[in-house]
Amino acid sequence: DVKVTQSSRYLVKRTGEKVFLECVQDMDHENMFWYRQDPGLGLRLIYFSYDVKMKEKGDIPEGYSVSREKKERFSLILESASTNQTSMYLCASSPIGGGKLFFGSGTQLSVL
Amino acid sequence: AQSVTQLGSHVSVSEGALVLLRCNYSSSVPPYLFWYVQYPNQGLQLLLKYTSAATLVKGINGFEAEFKKSETSFHLTKPSAHMSDAAEYFCAVRMNQAGTALIFGKGTTLSVSS
Repeated sequence: DVKVTQSSRYLVKRTGEKVFLECVQDMDHENMFWYRQDPGLGLRLIYFSYDVKMKEKGDIPEGYSVSREKKERFSLILESASTNQTSMYLCASSPIGGGKLFFGSGTQLSVL
Repeated sequence: AQSVTQLGSHVSVSEGALVLLRCNYSSSVPPYLFWYVQYPNQGLQLLLKYTSAATLVKGINGFEAEFKKSETSFHLTKPSAHMSDAAEYFCAVRMNQAGTALIFGKGTTLSVSS
């Protein structure tokens, strides 16, 4: 089975801190994604990457950046965390050609 | 731009009743459509997908969905609800022709009562 692993299940940070969320997949997938999930808003795409060192903005990239130095790893960076970035963050991957996304278990980030 | 609209943020049914969760889409490319389910405190898993083959798609756990181009709809159904079906359900459409990302709806929470 494909495994998408997010480094932390719960994370508590202070406003202004730089936050790194890490995601690793073990199936050699080309595509990787970061979504945030908020009640009543569903999943919103932050960034995605279709190859190493390549990245594309999603619907809500403001306040975030990403890094993909290796194929299996996709990091989401909050340069200066704010309270409105408190959310569940979901990482996903898919093979070339897209289609089915494989999701990690999520990281619940609280920014105080 | 591609989008999906899920009608009804909450749906409640009795055990054994028909489940109908509604999804309408907008897409400028041939749509690939998906239904995902999220059980409490779990990640998202794929229920079923439509990728331009048969318009009636069967998925896991007895769910199915019918692609209707004329109505731009992809509603999810199950003939008889089980308590274990209580979850949040998301409809999604591929973002572009390359299918490199999915755009999700806001979700519908299904409650099943005994």
